[in-house]
Amino acid sequence: GAGVSQSPRYKVAKRGQDVALRCDPISGHVSLFWYQQALGQGPEFLTYFQNEAQLDKSGLPSDRFFAERPEGSVSTLKIQRTQQEDSAVYLCASSLEGVSNQPQHFGDGTRLSIL
Amino acid sequence: DAKTTQPPSMDCAEGRAANLPCNHSTISGNEYVYWYRQIHSQGPQYIIHGLKNNETNEMASLIITEDRKSSTLILPHATLRDTAVYYCIVRVARLGGADGLTFGKGTHLIIQP
Repeated sequence: GAGVSQSPRYKVAKRGQDVALRCDPISGHVSLFWYQQALGQGPEFLTYFQNEAQLDKSGLPSDRFFAERPEGSVSTLKIQRTQQEDSAVYLCASSLEGVSNQPQHFGDGTRLSIL
Repeated sequence: DAKTTQPPSMDCAEGRAANLPCNHSTISGNEYVYWYRQIHSQGPQYIIHGLKNNETNEMASLIITEDRKSSTLILPHATLRDTAVYYCIVRVARLGGADGLTFGKGTHLIIQP
């Protein structure tokens, strides 16, 4: 079946522009996660949704980062007034249920470059 | 979540078993051991997880020591496509919600032809 799909695959933006990154989780998956991966580093957790509820946003680095999942399926990560340090790969993952012992399934990410 | 320690890199000959170690000496009784791998330019891929018992699936085997302070991921017949960064992650099991994964630096496994 279809896995987690992210779009666009690559995004280039000028400093100060707003960007929106999309995640289509695996159909029926309750939990959705966003991660940020800097070059040469492991992914770092940003935020977590259970259905449409954002239960954890402790990893969002600043108030310029905003995520939503209004109908409990597709999610969008928005970054306002982008800065060069926002350049990274943004990964989305989903898992079947809202419990911790379910594996997360990842998309291939959006590579964001801020000029 | 407990901290994990992995060697930064390992080599293995194609066709041989690759044994990747992980130390998690501060693991708690309700924490699972998860393994993911990340091939260049792809998202992390789930491999296997376990609590106390050894586990095996179509991809790998997971051996957890009796005191649960360390584990080994075994790829029984490594191929060139197994070259990747392998992450060992310890994660609390709880109901009523899930938690983000805490990735370390992982082990860069290079399969040699």
